Amino acid sequence: RKEVEQDPGPFNVPEGATVAFNCTYSNSASQSFFWYRQDCRKEPKLLMSVYSSGNEDGRFTAQLNRASQYISLLIRDSKLSDSATYLCVVTYHMNYGGSQGNLIFGKGTKLSVKP
Amino acid sequence: EAGVTQFPSHSVIEKGQTVTLRCDPISGHDNLYWYRRVMGKEIKFLLHFVKESKQDESGMPNNRFLAERTGGTYSTLKVQPAELEDSGVYFCASSQGLAGDTQYFGPGTRLTVL
Repeated sequence: RKEVEQDPGPFNVPEGATVAFNCTYSNSASQSFFWYRQDCRKEPKLLMSVYSSGNEDGRFTAQLNRASQYISLLIRDSKLSDSATYLCVVTYHMNYGGSQGNLIFGKGTKLSVKP
Repeated sequence: EAGVTQFPSHSVIEKGQTVTLRCDPISGHDNLYWYRRVMGKEIKFLLHFVKESKQDESGMPNNRFLAERTGGTYSTLKVQPAELEDSGVYFCASSQGLAGDTQYFGPGTRLTVL
């Protein structure tokens, strides 16, 4: 079983639509959670961290359910520029160097927003 | 501020040859990570440096891969000899070293082994 599993997609939606991505993780020791965005042939970029209380950044809302080991990302009023692959990422806190440790990625869900 | 840079952006080599990838992290970032994405698969961790020391190399596929980070600055990842299954995109990322710090990714090196 993969450590991080995501909806395979692709999601094809019209501009203005609301779209939701889901992700589950298998290791209950996971401590930090993120959504990254990756444009075609580009590097992953942090979209937002995900907190237990849920968090919102403009049109983007992330939720975490530790009991179910489930993470979600909601995009409201989608724009053409939201077209990208969305990567669900988890990590474990490490004790050395204060770093967050290696990131564990899902395969990603491709979103295509059409006019 | 300059971001993470990687060189080359693309490399096409034949099976059995050697390739060296370079990563320059953001200045002042103690943590440097290497990741790889093989076609059709998820991005996977290879190894992690804290300054010049290897802290975690559990993701390195085999002993054909050698990573170094001279003086805790830039890092190189050498593949020798390259095999077909080594093809993919190799990403480097760096972070400052405070708990929870964001990892910033470089643009990647696309390696094709023929």
